[in-house]
Parts: sequence; structure tokens; C-alpha cells
Amino acid sequence: KNEVEQSPQNLTAQEGEFITINCSYSVGISALHWLQQHPGGGIVSLFMLSSGKKKHGRLIATINIQEKHSSLHITASHPRDSAVYICAVPRDSNYQLIWGAGTKLIIKP
Amino acid sequence: EAQVTQNPRYLITVTGKKLTVTCSQNMNHEYMSWYRQDPGLGLRQIYYSMNVEVTDKGDVPEGYKVSRKEKRNFPLILESPSPNQTSLYFCASSPIGLAGGYNEQFFGPGTRLTVL
Repeated sequence: KNEVEQSPQNLTAQEGEFITINCSYSVGISALHWLQQHPGGGIVSLFMLSSGKKKHGRLIATINIQEKHSSLHITASHPRDSAVYICAVPRDSNYQLIWGAGTKLIIKP
Repeated sequence: EAQVTQNPRYLITVTGKKLTVTCSQNMNHEYMSWYRQDPGLGLRQIYYSMNVEVTDKGDVPEGYKVSRKEKRNFPLILESPSPNQTSLYFCASSPIGLAGGYNEQFFGPGTRLTVL
């Protein structure tokens, strides 16, 4: 079993739909990262959170440390949200990350 | 502008011909890292560095070397490239504060390497 699992692997939706991507992990952590990889390959950090919820524009990330689960939500999805979304958690050392396999999201106009 | 730069962005080479991929950051970050990304395997860490002259192996270090002589630069060296090193490579940097690895990582644009 992978230490970080994301679901779904692939998600296709229509523009305007509410999107949820899930991340479950088996290791004890203090923080979790969500990143976005654009179709062109570039990777940007979206959120780093250790409890509760964070919001940036139409993106919302939540985490439940007790249940070892995090979700990334996109409201009013748009074709430009099409990307691979990756979650990652620190290893014990805190200087390395355990990466999820990513969720490929396609938003159709 | 705060950024991580990598060069070259694209490289096609032949087996055994030594090459270096450069990585530079202008944010005075202590932590730098190299990853490779292959279809179906996600990101895998090759090497990382916590500061000048401090480097350590990641998950897939075989066939790679790194050096950290200056804080801003972290080159990746392939002494004798082989076709199984064909991949998309990313350099990343991050500050190390009291929160350690909790800090956001900034990624370079990627280097697409093909070894024939």
C-alpha cells in the first residue's frame, strides 16, 4: 500500500462543476502540500496546511489529521484548471516529501 | 523576480556522454532538490541538499552526482548517461526555517532529457 494515495486518478468534468480530489496518507504528519502541474509541465505549490481549511480564490483545501485525509476542492471549475494535482507529505526527516501519484483533471468547456 | 532556473530546458544526447544540468535559485533558500518524473511513477527524488557542502541521496540516486559549492547553485551531473535516464527533471528549492520541511517548495521549469 502506498503511503500517499490520491483519488481519483483521472477526472473529467464540465465547466462550472464543483471538483473534489482526495488524498489519504498512512504516515503521521504535521503538514500536507498540494501542488499543481500544468499541461506544459511546470509545477507550482498551491497550499501547505496542517489543520482545518485554506482558501485561495476558487481553490479550497481541507485536512483532517485524525483521519489522515485531505481534500482539494475547486469551485466553478474552468478549462484553465485542467492540470495534474499532486499531494505530498513530509517524511520523518521533514526534508523529504512522499509524493502522491497525482490526479489528472480535465475540465471541458 | 523570485525564481528557480534550469538549463538546458531540452537535451538530446547519446549514451555515455557526460552532461550537467544546471539549477540556480535567487531566493537564498537553504534547501535544494532534484527530482525526476516518469509516466506512471510520479515525482521521485534523486538528491537533495540542506545547505552548502551538505548533500544526501534521495530515492533514486544511482547514476547521478550533485554538488553544492554555492548556496544558489545545485547542478545535476550524469557522468555516463544511459537510456533509462531519459526523463523529465525538476529542480526545486525551499527555505528551511524552524518548521523544517513544512515549507513551500519552488520548482524550476523542468529539463526534458533524452538519452539515445
